[in-house]
Amino acid sequence: DTEVTQTPKHLVMGMTNKKSLKCEQHMGHRAMYWYKQKAKKPPELMFVYSYEKLSINESVPSRFSPECPNSSLLNLHLHALQPEDSALYLCASSQGTGGGKVTEAFFGQGTRLTVV
Amino acid sequence: AQSVTQLGSHVSVSEGALVLLRCNYSSSVPPYLFWYVQYPNQGLQLLLKYTSAATLVKGINGFEAEFKKSETSFHLTKPSAHMSDAAEYFCAVTKYNFNKFYFGSGTKLNVKP
Repeated sequence: DTEVTQTPKHLVMGMTNKKSLKCEQHMGHRAMYWYKQKAKKPPELMFVYSYEKLSINESVPSRFSPECPNSSLLNLHLHALQPEDSALYLCASSQGTGGGKVTEAFFGQGTRLTVV
Repeated sequence: AQSVTQLGSHVSVSEGALVLLRCNYSSSVPPYLFWYVQYPNQGLQLLLKYTSAATLVKGINGFEAEFKKSETSFHLTKPSAHMSDAAEYFCAVTKYNFNKFYFGSGTKLNVKP
């Protein structure tokens, strides 16, 4: 199973709503990522979890709150978003760099978020 | 700092023609390089990766890339384009012991009948 599963696929939310994006992988990967991708742009890194601990936060506003409940799951909690936060949110995982090995990141299909 | 530069935001080829998508990297240490493809409203799919084992790397769907240290390049090629190759292509770099993938700006490939 080389799949990263993201739910929901589409989400429309108001600026006062609270919602969560979910991501799951069963490849035994120990690094998990959230990326944000605006139209016609490359993915921009938001957060990295390594061995279930937040290791990188790319100065993301606090209205985005990541959570890694266990080694297979990654959540992104959303609160009080702005219309400019509308984008494709991609989750990814990789084996991690333990053992002296760099491997590729596997991406989910993304959640298309629209903030109204 | 790690970075990659993709020359040409749009490339258009005829079906059956050679595909060449350019990627140059900037790295102070040996990099690990990747090419990903993205179809509209989908995630990224790995085409191939370079992790120092061999300079010529073969990937899926007939794509390959050659790592050239002297030119700091990792260009993606395919001998004969197919209509299904039309997509956005991203070059990415990371390095050992660093959980961070940097993406190039992307190249949109158009394949004409």
